[in-house]
Amino acid sequence: TQLLEQSPQFLSIQEGENLTVYCNSSSVFSSLQWYRQEPGEGPVLLVTVVTGGEVKKLKRLTFQFGDARKDSSLHITAAQTGDTGLYLCAGSFRTNAGKSTFGDGTTLTVKP
Amino acid sequence: KAGVTQTPRYLIKTRGQQVTLSCSPISGHRSVSWYQQTPGQGLQFLFEYFSETQRNKGNFPGRFSGRQFSNSRSEMNVSTLELGDSALYLCASSKLAEPSLEQYFGPGTRLTVT
Repeated sequence: TQLLEQSPQFLSIQEGENLTVYCNSSSVFSSLQWYRQEPGEGPVLLVTVVTGGEVKKLKRLTFQFGDARKDSSLHITAAQTGDTGLYLCAGSFRTNAGKSTFGDGTTLTVKP
Repeated sequence: KAGVTQTPRYLIKTRGQQVTLSCSPISGHRSVSWYQQTPGQGLQFLFEYFSETQRNKGNFPGRFSGRQFSNSRSEMNVSTLELGDSALYLCASSKLAEPSLEQYFGPGTRLTVT
C-alpha cells in the first residue's frame, strides 16, 4: 500500500515557468517533510510542515500543508536550472518516530 | 555543525559476499535510520536505532541487520549479497524533537553487487 502519492512523476519545464508538485495521502501525518535530491547524493531537507493549513516560504519555493494534514504541495515560482532534481515528500507519525514514509518523488528538469 | 557521514561512498561486491556500511550521525542526534533507495522501489525503510536499541524494522529479509554504538554511530550489515541488493543505502539521523520529527540524510553508500 502506497501511503504517499506524488504527482506528477516527471516534469520538464523552461526556465522562468512556475510549477506545482503534489503529495497526497489517505493517512494523517504528524509532520511532513519535503526533500530535494541530486543524483548520487542523499536527500537534502527543504522544509517541515506540522500544522494543518500551514504555509511556508523558502525564497521562490512555497510549501503548503493541507487542512486535514493528509496532503501537501510545493510551488516553485520562476524556476531556475538549479532547481533541477528529485523532489521527495515524506510523512512521519509521532508514534513511529525515526521512520519516514516517502513518496516516489517528482523528477524536475528545468531547461535553460 | 558537521552533517551525517557515511563510509564508504562506493562499494563493489560479488554475490554471496557480505558487506558492512557505517554511519556517523550529527552530533547530539541519537536516532539513526537506514533506507534503501532503488529506481524501481524508491526509498524503503530498513530499520531505526535509538540508544543502541532497534525500535523499528522495515519489511526486509533477515540478511539485513544493523547495530548502534554508545556514541550513536551505526553500522548496517548485509550478508549473502544478491544482485537485487544493488542500491544506494542512505543513513539519516534525527534529534526526534517533536513535533517536526525531521531526519537529516548522509550522502549514501552506493553498493553494486556483481
